[in-house]
Amino acid sequence: GENVEQHPSTLSVQEGDSAVIKCTYSDSASNYFPWYKQELGKRPQLIIDIRSNVGEKKDQRIAVTLNKTAKHFSLHITETQPEDSAVYFCAASRGSSASKIIFGSGTRLSIRP
Amino acid sequence: DARVTQTPRHKVTEMGQEVTMRCQPILGHNTVFWYRQTMMQGLELLAYFRNRAPLDDSGMPKDRFSAEMPDATLATLKIQPSEPRDSAVYFCASGLVPQGAYEQYFGPGTRLTVT
Repeated sequence: GENVEQHPSTLSVQEGDSAVIKCTYSDSASNYFPWYKQELGKRPQLIIDIRSNVGEKKDQRIAVTLNKTAKHFSLHITETQPEDSAVYFCAASRGSSASKIIFGSGTRLSIRP
Repeated sequence: DARVTQTPRHKVTEMGQEVTMRCQPILGHNTVFWYRQTMMQGLELLAYFRNRAPLDDSGMPKDRFSAEMPDATLATLKIQPSEPRDSAVYFCASGLVPQGAYEQYFGPGTRLTVT
């Protein structure tokens, strides 16, 4: 079945530096790739997503890139701030009416002051 | 600001007791998902519904778990009998397919502790 692998499981960066989280997926029919941010004790929230017809998408300090050939996608956070500290989940889906979203195992990002 | 709601937010129960968790999806959403989150397993999909019909419940232990949507505004997840290994946070999420582009909006979760 569909599998999404996410790396690293933990990441610590200095405030102001960039953070990169990488994911790979196994189902070549996947065409929708959302990223969720979960702060401690809170619900996961969608922060950005990308579809297979686009190679890159940016929203202020966050960007996602997608390489369909290699079946991997990444989240980039620039100029990190303390409020970026959270667990980040990548996910993949076929995006059809009957498909489900498969989540990666999560990356705990810590921003050092 | 429409949100998914879940009740109860916290539940402590003894092993063997029945537990029922409830979810109210965002009004108008046609897809509801149930997830279980533990430190070890991350976010596990238990079951999901489209237009109140179950599409996939392969992630759910069938002998003790059941999920239903009695109507479009209520989804339930029931555990009977509960076991300590069921202790986790259970999230409900809803979405609108296909118009909503498969985005899922999560509820605040129910933190279940089975002693």
